[in-house]
Amino acid sequence: KQEVTQIPAALSVPEGENLVLNCSFTDSAIYNLQWFRQDPGKGLTSLLLIQSSQREQTSGRLNASLDKSSGRSTLYIAASQPGDSATYLCAVRYSQFYFGTGTSLTVIP
Amino acid sequence: GAVVSQHPSWVICKSGTSVKIECRSLDFQATTMFWYRQFPKQSLMLMATSNEGSKATYEQGVEKDKFLINHASLTLSTLTVTSAHPEDSSFYICSAKPVPGATHNEQFFGPGTRLTVL
Repeated sequence: KQEVTQIPAALSVPEGENLVLNCSFTDSAIYNLQWFRQDPGKGLTSLLLIQSSQREQTSGRLNASLDKSSGRSTLYIAASQPGDSATYLCAVRYSQFYFGTGTSLTVIP
Repeated sequence: GAVVSQHPSWVICKSGTSVKIECRSLDFQATTMFWYRQFPKQSLMLMATSNEGSKATYEQGVEKDKFLINHASLTLSTLTVTSAHPEDSSFYICSAKPVPGATHNEQFFGPGTRLTVL
């Protein structure tokens, strides 16, 4: 069974800090990996998609990396803001999706 | 953890036919279910949010008359792609959010349904 693990489960940081969220997966034969944001009571918002052939994707203050050989991905958030407070989910796609349980981020003003 | 199933996991149909995809929460009740789709090499995108017993809320650009969503019970939501065309070929995934006060309050995802329209 494929497993996707996210560490930490919860994170609280003061505004302005840079932070890293981690995602690990057991099988390196992935199709792609996505990072999502989820606000309370809402559906997922896609943040970054990394294809299996790529190592990195950037969008604004967000940067996601992928190391298939070690089964890891990181989401880097620069200069965090209170509006970044949400749950961040990592999802790995093989023939189907496997989602991590998420990291709940709180950015303190 | 809680389990969400989807049926079928893979379907091929002819252009112009309708296809129904089921999303079931197997061991919990869900007041809210979400439907997503992913086109090849694109991100997973939210299509609609369905609440048990009420009309679904569709995201901008998603045709409500083409993608019919029924959330008739606390354990089942269905997505019907009406008059499917090749451009509807995609990977459809649902998720279910347990009822308030449940043991698990996070969202659980189904394994997805791959639709191919010929």
